[in-house]
Amino acid sequence: AQSVSQHNHHVILSEAASLELGCNYSYGGTVNLFWYVQYPGQHLQLLLKYFSGDPLVKGIKGFEAEFIKSKFSFNLRKPSVQWSDTAEYFCAVIPPYGNKLVFGAGTILRVKS
Amino acid sequence: DSGVTQTPKHLITATGQRVTLRCSPRSGDLSVYWYQQSLDQGLQFLIQYYNGEERAKGNILERFSAQQFPDLHSELNLSSLELGDSALYFCASSVDGGANTDTQYFGPGTRLTVL
Repeated sequence: AQSVSQHNHHVILSEAASLELGCNYSYGGTVNLFWYVQYPGQHLQLLLKYFSGDPLVKGIKGFEAEFIKSKFSFNLRKPSVQWSDTAEYFCAVIPPYGNKLVFGAGTILRVKS
Repeated sequence: DSGVTQTPKHLITATGQRVTLRCSPRSGDLSVYWYQQSLDQGLQFLIQYYNGEERAKGNILERFSAQQFPDLHSELNLSSLELGDSALYFCASSVDGGANTDTQYFGPGTRLTVL
């Protein structure tokens, strides 16, 4: 079945460490890609999105993501995490044939102060 | 704050009952989406409405139904509730919903607990 895969379910980092969260999708054709964040007790917020153009996308709060078409990947990065980045991160794809979001299982990030 | 509002925030009910969840989209958005977030299934798309009409359907049970009213708010009706329906139900809205470049903005969710 076509899907979105997030490599790690739980990640624990110390403050100032670098972050990379993996995301792969299995849809062919043109897809649109998103990263959402869910802080504890809050709703999903859009971090960044990719539709076309420069495959390196910058989002809010210092996050960026790189789209690598040949690898069907859209990995999220941040050079130096803060305690306030503790949250659950979701990669999501809009497949070529629709406009619903298909989500990965999420990665829970805990940043130790 | 995304501008999408959902009520109620929490809902506790018993098996077999029926509940209605409400969503108001961001000002100017014509499309509303409903998603279910549960521990075992993750975040799953249920249904989309655009300007009052159903546009897309996902993994929505027959016991569940939705509608979008002329003022563009939407309601998700869940009936004959089962324990497994306990979940967080999110509503999202977007400007158009017809193009896959549309960005969806999420509401705070309604946490449903079925006892």
